[in-house]
Amino acid sequence: NAGVTQTPKFRVLKTGQSMTLLCAQDMNHEYMYWYRQDPGMGLRLIHYSVGEGTTAKGEVPDGYNVSRLKKQNFLLGLESAAPSQTSVYFCASGRWVYEQYFGPGTRLTVT
Amino acid sequence: AQRVTQPEKLLSVFKGAPVELKCNYSYSGSPELFWYVQYSRQRLQLLLRHISRESIKGFTADLNKGETSFHLKKPFAQEEDSAMYYCALMNYGGSQGNLIFGKGTKLSVKP
Repeated sequence: NAGVTQTPKFRVLKTGQSMTLLCAQDMNHEYMYWYRQDPGMGLRLIHYSVGEGTTAKGEVPDGYNVSRLKKQNFLLGLESAAPSQTSVYFCASGRWVYEQYFGPGTRLTVT
Repeated sequence: AQRVTQPEKLLSVFKGAPVELKCNYSYSGSPELFWYVQYSRQRLQLLLRHISRESIKGFTADLNKGETSFHLKKPFAQEEDSAMYYCALMNYGGSQGNLIFGKGTKLSVKP
């Protein structure tokens, strides 16, 4: 099992550019999450999904969109990147809400 | 409002000394609390949950509803315990619930 994988691992964007982060899991989990981790801020939930075709807003959803067209994939999109979106992004999945399996993270820099 | 507070950004102890990582929470209902850990160059992972009342890697945590705390303790710290520790609270405010993470405490165990 690969577990939870994230693509890409690193990315540098210019302000205004768009990109999509891909999260994939092979554990048949219903729940999937996108977090951002910033120094001194801990993990903050951006969006999450409780099953294929569903999405919900988390604590900091502005500037991001998500889609869960397939159960194993959860995409996070930035339509117009801003420097404030420079962060490390973590995807997680779980069979239950409390037991989340995390991906390795994507380090995004917006200049 | 639901909130998790970890008052210490950094905690430094010597090997063999007791360690206590503090976590306080604010929640209107019956809380469910967890500790997650992220070792260097590893993924964030679940360490323990209060409901199971188990000891993992020598760590225990007791839920104190009167003090609204869920401190993580270990009687004798080891160098391999050095990591980032996050306290998390189950939030049932959304349709299915999600975890609210604290800002984390970095534990450094010196030889």
